[in-house]
Amino acid sequence: SQKIEQNSEALNIQEGKTATLTCNYTNYSPAYLQWYRQDPGRGPVFLLLIRENEKEKRKERLKVTFDTTLKQSLFHITASQPADSATYLCALPLSGGYNKLIFGAGTRLAVHP
Amino acid sequence: KAGVTQTPRYLIKTRGQQVTLSCSPISGHRSVSWYQQTPGQGLQFLFEYFSETQRNKGNFPGRFSGRQFSNSRSEMNVSTLELGDSALYLCASSVEGSTDTQYFGPGTRLTVL
Repeated sequence: SQKIEQNSEALNIQEGKTATLTCNYTNYSPAYLQWYRQDPGRGPVFLLLIRENEKEKRKERLKVTFDTTLKQSLFHITASQPADSATYLCALPLSGGYNKLIFGAGTRLAVHP
Repeated sequence: KAGVTQTPRYLIKTRGQQVTLSCSPISGHRSVSWYQQTPGQGLQFLFEYFSETQRNKGNFPGRFSGRQFSNSRSEMNVSTLELGDSALYLCASSVEGSTDTQYFGPGTRLTVL
């Protein structure tokens, strides 16, 4: 069955450093992948969508890569700030249902001053 | 533009009861998806509606149902509540579907006693 894996351990980094989060998937080839940010007690906020024919996408301090051979996406936050502390989720469409999203468990990022 | 709104924000029910949750999407959005979020299972897809039709359904029992009205507002219903239904229920709206930016509401926190 289709699975998404994200680092379950929290990622702690110092302010100003680059945070790198990983999303691995198995058993299918999604047409696109999305990244979301979720703060405690709130709904997820959409950050970026990258399609299978795109290797990399950037938005301000965010960069996402999509390696369909490795079945992996990397999410980078450069010059991280304490305000970037949150849980980051990756999501992919379930095969057979273009508008069905499956989410990873998320990785909690803590940026320390 | 107003964001996605969900009502009620908090709900306490007892086992065996039923509950109806409401979601008002962003104006102009025709797709509404529902998700259940629990600490153990993460975000899980329930169903997606587009123009009053259910397009996709997740792997939840028939006790979970939904509908969408002509104004794109959506409701989900859970009958014969079980303790395990305690969760944060999130809805997300988009213009056409999951390839678009998904805008999540704040969620309804359901507690089943």
